[in-house]
Amino acid sequence: GNSVTQMEGPVTLSEEAFLTINCTYTATGYPSLFWYVQYPGEGLQLLLKATKADDKGSNKGFEATYRKETTSFHLEKGSVQVSDSAVYFCALGTYGNKLVFGAGTILRVKS
Amino acid sequence: GAGVSQSPRYKVAKRGQDVALRCDPISGHVSLFWYQQALGQGPEFLTYFQNEAQLDKSGLPSDRFFAERPEGSVSTLKIQRTQQEDSAVYLCASSLARGKTNEKLFFGSGTQLSVL
Repeated sequence: GNSVTQMEGPVTLSEEAFLTINCTYTATGYPSLFWYVQYPGEGLQLLLKATKADDKGSNKGFEATYRKETTSFHLEKGSVQVSDSAVYFCALGTYGNKLVFGAGTILRVKS
Repeated sequence: GAGVSQSPRYKVAKRGQDVALRCDPISGHVSLFWYQQALGQGPEFLTYFQNEAQLDKSGLPSDRFFAERPEGSVSTLKIQRTQQEDSAVYLCASSLARGKTNEKLFFGSGTQLSVL
């Protein structure tokens, strides 16, 4: 079946550090891939997406590339800020836009 | 409203009690989803509506769970005879399109259900 595995957290970084959160997936067919973010006290919101192999999604300085050969969609940011502290969820989209989520990775950025 | 609205924000129920959770999607959104998020886990799919039609209920964990969207707008998730394992955050999401795999979902803040 379809599944998503992402690195366990929490990930604690200092401001301006480089961020990588690993995400790998198992899926039949060619799913779309997403990163959603949940800021404290808020609902999940879409951060970025990629719909086919080699696509790069980007938003707010975050990037992720759809790698079919390694079934991965790792999230990266060159310089994190305190305001990036949140829970990050990798997800894949299947038929009917049903999303399958990873367990989430807590990111804490210290000033 | 501007976003997906869910109520109540928190619900405490005694084991065996029935509960009803409400979701107001963004106006005009065709698709509506319910997800269940256990503590420390990612959301898990429960059910999907396209307008008033429930097209997929494969994620509902038991026949104690029932969802409806009678007029294609507001949706209610009902849990009968609640059990402790039902304790979770219940998330509602909506999207404009009819089930496209790359469509952005808009999530509400969720209802946190605690069953004592």
